[in-house]
Amino acid sequence: DAGITQSPRHKVTETGTPVTLRCHQTENHRYMYWYRQDPGHGLRLIHYSYGVKDTDKGEVSDGYSVSRSKTEDFLLTLESATSSQTSVYFCAISESIQGRTSTDTQYFGPGTRLTVL
Amino acid sequence: AQKITQTQPGMFVQEKEAVTLDCTYDTSDQSYGLFWYKQPSSGEMIFLIYQGSYDEQNATEGRYSLNFQKARKSANLVISASQLGDSAMYFCAMREGGYQKVTFGTGTKLQVIP
Repeated sequence: DAGITQSPRHKVTETGTPVTLRCHQTENHRYMYWYRQDPGHGLRLIHYSYGVKDTDKGEVSDGYSVSRSKTEDFLLTLESATSSQTSVYFCAISESIQGRTSTDTQYFGPGTRLTVL
Repeated sequence: AQKITQTQPGMFVQEKEAVTLDCTYDTSDQSYGLFWYKQPSSGEMIFLIYQGSYDEQNATEGRYSLNFQKARKSANLVISASQLGDSAMYFCAMREGGYQKVTFGTGTKLQVIP
């Protein structure tokens, strides 16, 4: 258990409204990630963070922003939600499984199911 | 080009039989890591097994083993003695070089038949 929680777990919202998803971890991991999962696409990286206030874009970052003001929290914001952002969102952290950085493995939170009507 | 390719959208296996889930990858890096994850119908992503590009032996974790063929760029997951609880989506993934970004395949849905 990598100590990752996500909130909310489910959310239904309307097109054009702002939405913020929260990822919280308790084990002081440096790297945190946001993915979306859609049928036929697997998981795609939205944004990731390599430290407090240090973030970078993934392959599907348009329409999303992130913030990390504390090590333990990584927030994903949809400034104006669209129906195409209906998805399951996963947060992940990175942890070495053999004590070497080269073995860094991602562990996932439980996911947030977001529906944009 | 796809970095991770899983060509089997769905598979069936008889309970107690072994099954191989295919994964091929594409990278020009010499150092990389390969991963398999399981996603049951409940939705969580569960890490199963890791293989480093420099690891000489195939990785094993209980009933899971990774058949790593570097020259063919394949990293197939072998599940021995399938159980009903193995029914799930399985994702292959790769981390290249010193980067923290991981690329996932589109997954294979495995169904174990009693």
